[in-house]
Amino acid sequence: EPEVTQTPSHQVTQMGQEVILRCVPISNHLYFYWYRQILGQKVEFLVSFYNNEISEKSEIFDDQFSVERPDGSNFTLKIRSTKLEDSAMYFCASTMDRNTEAFFGQGTRLTVV
Amino acid sequence: AQKVTQAQTEISVVEKEDVTLDCVYETRDTTYYLFWYKQPPSGELVFLIRRNSFDEQNEISGRYSWNFQKSTSSFNFTITASQVVDSAVYFCALSEGQGGSEKLVFGKGTKLTVNP
Repeated sequence: EPEVTQTPSHQVTQMGQEVILRCVPISNHLYFYWYRQILGQKVEFLVSFYNNEISEKSEIFDDQFSVERPDGSNFTLKIRSTKLEDSAMYFCASTMDRNTEAFFGQGTRLTVV
Repeated sequence: AQKVTQAQTEISVVEKEDVTLDCVYETRDTTYYLFWYKQPPSGELVFLIRRNSFDEQNEISGRYSWNFQKSTSSFNFTITASQVVDSAVYFCALSEGQGGSEKLVFGKGTKLTVNP
């Protein structure tokens, strides 16, 4: 069964460093999302991406964040200068069209020290 | 604004008991979608069900069933004859708009522990 793949599963980084979280969505999907979940809290929407551009973003998704689909298969989330409060599980999701459910990757746990 | 409330933070049951997880939502849209996701201890989010606002029929899938009531803005989830493998955090979520795959607004989740 096709699945959304995220790498790495766990990343530890120093405050102020840049990180790139990678996702390979399901191959025929067209809509892509990033969500985050601070430990023990609810899952929060960050950004949606369609047709090579951001279609919606939340207040969390400030100038420190950016997304890219560099090569037609990967979908990346970059955090330019990490802060302690960026420590969370980051989930990538994809969907074929707007009428079907989103499938989530297994998540990347980001720890900022 | 959209809002999803899962009032039960944690529930603990003994295996084979039935358990119902509550979900109450708020939306101004007439077209919306409701979801349940399971997050086992391994951390991934597993899709369980999607229901659109025009379909109030209850759904049963094995030991799982869902009760959607627009009159009370609720979309409750029942596990019959619970098993230890059902132990997880369960999230209810809402999306608005005709597409049904717009951004999801999640509740805070209910942690279910099924004891042997």
